[in-house]
Amino acid sequence: AQKVTQAQTEISVVEKEDVTLDCVYETRDTTYYLFWYKQPPSGELVFLIRRNSFDEQNEISGRYSWNFQKSTSSFNFTITASQVVDSAVYFCALMGSTSYGKLTFGQGTILTVHP
Amino acid sequence: DVKVTQSSRYLVKRTGEKVFLECVQDMDHENMFWYRQDPGLGLRLIYFSYDVKMKEKGDIPEGYSVSREKKERFSLILESASTNQTSMYLCASSFGQANGAQYFGPGTRLLVL
Repeated sequence: AQKVTQAQTEISVVEKEDVTLDCVYETRDTTYYLFWYKQPPSGELVFLIRRNSFDEQNEISGRYSWNFQKSTSSFNFTITASQVVDSAVYFCALMGSTSYGKLTFGQGTILTVHP
Repeated sequence: DVKVTQSSRYLVKRTGEKVFLECVQDMDHENMFWYRQDPGLGLRLIYFSYDVKMKEKGDIPEGYSVSREKKERFSLILESASTNQTSMYLCASSFGQANGAQYFGPGTRLLVL
């Protein structure tokens, strides 16, 4: 069975603060893929990143960065210098090699960035 | 840009009605998915399809059926809508290998009275 846990239900920060969203996963597959999605108030889930289990390099994309640590089964997401437009629900998701394309989502973290 | 569209953003139906939710993608993706999203329960997979006329049950298929007659279109059918099917319904598609990123449509908020 696969499981994704996002322990933070809601986070509230003030603009320009850095914020980290935690994601912990469980899988028995040796090959798997991890994803982050953003869901703004409009409702559409926006794909942010996909990492495979063999690539533990951290990734940076503008103000976004991701820290993948296999040893702790974590795939955390950091937003640097947060902005009001970052306010959204963020989902971490897992796809195991034996799950035939099925994503297992975490419960989501509601991020509110105040001006 | 990948484009996934859903036929309605908001829908209000009565208990017992047959409801069709349509999803169309324009990127020639092989795989298509239907999820529902509920507060506190996250996203749950209802059905998915890897090819035309193929369908596979997801985690919560009860009360739903699907149809995929053309590659670009994946329909979710509620044979007899019930109030516990009030939810946000999200369609997604992905390319080729099953481990590809899924791209989502804007969602349909369905209210069953």
